[in-house]
Amino acid sequence: NAGVTQTPKFRVLKTGQSMTLLCAQDMNHEYMYWYRQDPGMGLRLIHYSVGEGTTAKGEVPDGYNVSRLKKQNFLLGLESAAPSQTSVYFCASSYSNSYEQYFGPGTRLTVT
Amino acid sequence: GQQVMQIPQYQHVQEGEDFTTYCNSSTTLSNIQWYKQRPGGHPVFLIQLVKSGEVKKQKRLTFQFGEAKKNSSLHITATQTTDVGTYFCAGRSQTGANNLFFGTGTRLTVIP
Repeated sequence: NAGVTQTPKFRVLKTGQSMTLLCAQDMNHEYMYWYRQDPGMGLRLIHYSVGEGTTAKGEVPDGYNVSRLKKQNFLLGLESAAPSQTSVYFCASSYSNSYEQYFGPGTRLTVT
Repeated sequence: GQQVMQIPQYQHVQEGEDFTTYCNSSTTLSNIQWYKQRPGGHPVFLIQLVKSGEVKKQKRLTFQFGEAKKNSSLHITATQTTDVGTYFCAGRSQTGANNLFFGTGTRLTVIP
């Protein structure tokens, strides 16, 4: 089992450009999450999904969109990147809401 | 909104010394989880505490959940260089949003 994988690992964008981060899990988990990690601020939830075809907003959803067309995949989109979106993005999945979360290796995004 | 504060932000210890990190929530939690993130890595689940006053041990690590379910601690006895990393608590509120809110983390450095 690969667990949770993320692509790409690194990306540099210019302000205003768009991109999609892909998260895939092979554990048949219902729940999937996107977090961003900034120095001194821990992990903040951007969006999450409780199952295929469903998405919901987390703490910091502005500027991001998500889609969960297939159970194993959770996409995070930035329509018009801003320097404030420079961060490390982690995807995670879990069997249910009260179980532990399994994290992917992260994507380091820089917006110039 | 819910906040989970963690102290200290940084801790440097000599190898063999003990280490403790504390987590405090502004609201009563239904459960709390602890994660470890090695430098350059992703968060990895350590444990979950559910009951008021619960204490769990994993070898040299001792986890406690407060009686009021608003605070928690992680204590490492006789630190080793393999303990280096950032330790995060993550709590789920009993009311309101059912998401996991991560603390800001404590970065542990162990000096050989």
